[in-house]
Amino acid sequence: DQQVKQNSPSLSVQEGRISILNCDYTNSMFDYFLWYKKYPAEGPTFLISISSIKDKNEDGRFTVFLNKSAKHLSLHIVPSQPGDSAVYFCAAKRNTGNQFYFGTGTSLTVIP
Amino acid sequence: AAGVIQSPRHLIKEKRETATLKCYPIPRHDTVYWYQQGPGQDPQFLISFYEKMQSDKGSIPDRFSAQQFSDYHSELNMSSLELGDSALYFCASSLRGRGSYEQYFGPGTRLTVT
Repeated sequence: DQQVKQNSPSLSVQEGRISILNCDYTNSMFDYFLWYKKYPAEGPTFLISISSIKDKNEDGRFTVFLNKSAKHLSLHIVPSQPGDSAVYFCAAKRNTGNQFYFGTGTSLTVIP
Repeated sequence: AAGVIQSPRHLIKEKRETATLKCYPIPRHDTVYWYQQGPGQDPQFLISFYEKMQSDKGSIPDRFSAQQFSDYHSELNMSSLELGDSALYFCASSLRGRGSYEQYFGPGTRLTVT
């Protein structure tokens, strides 16, 4: 049962434009969300996180938005750069325990 | 800055053999997580340790066991290996005691069972 879903397996964006990656979850007990970027042959790299008490967190070019009522979060990258091309995973944690659930990933390609 | 170290990076074993994967967390990190990622799949949580005690257990098969040692490094022991165990195994660490849930991942160990 996939509790965290990334329905777009791939996304292509022109350099300089905004990239929007989406993530949906089903478990209302999730209270912490993270985004990771993964290059081939490397482990995931932490990008940005958000607690369920917030609806937005910003770090440089990266902004994560959380809509709890819709059980949806999104990652905005602006402006997109070719080096952003990677697979992006969202992950979520329940308010009990320390187990994280990952989405299936979205492969982002930023076209120069 | 020091990162999470995993060894070996690649491992080839035959069915029914055993394998041991090692993970060295970022210094001063108190929590270690193990994940299994099959081809084209998302990382599946296996098990975690906080301050050398098992913290959470996910979809870890009974054939697998893990522990965290006094120096905070962790080992994932896999016995009676099956073809389906072929995957990328990631270790991650975090500083949970400081209220941080950001996990920092190692480069992974690619296990191939033949």
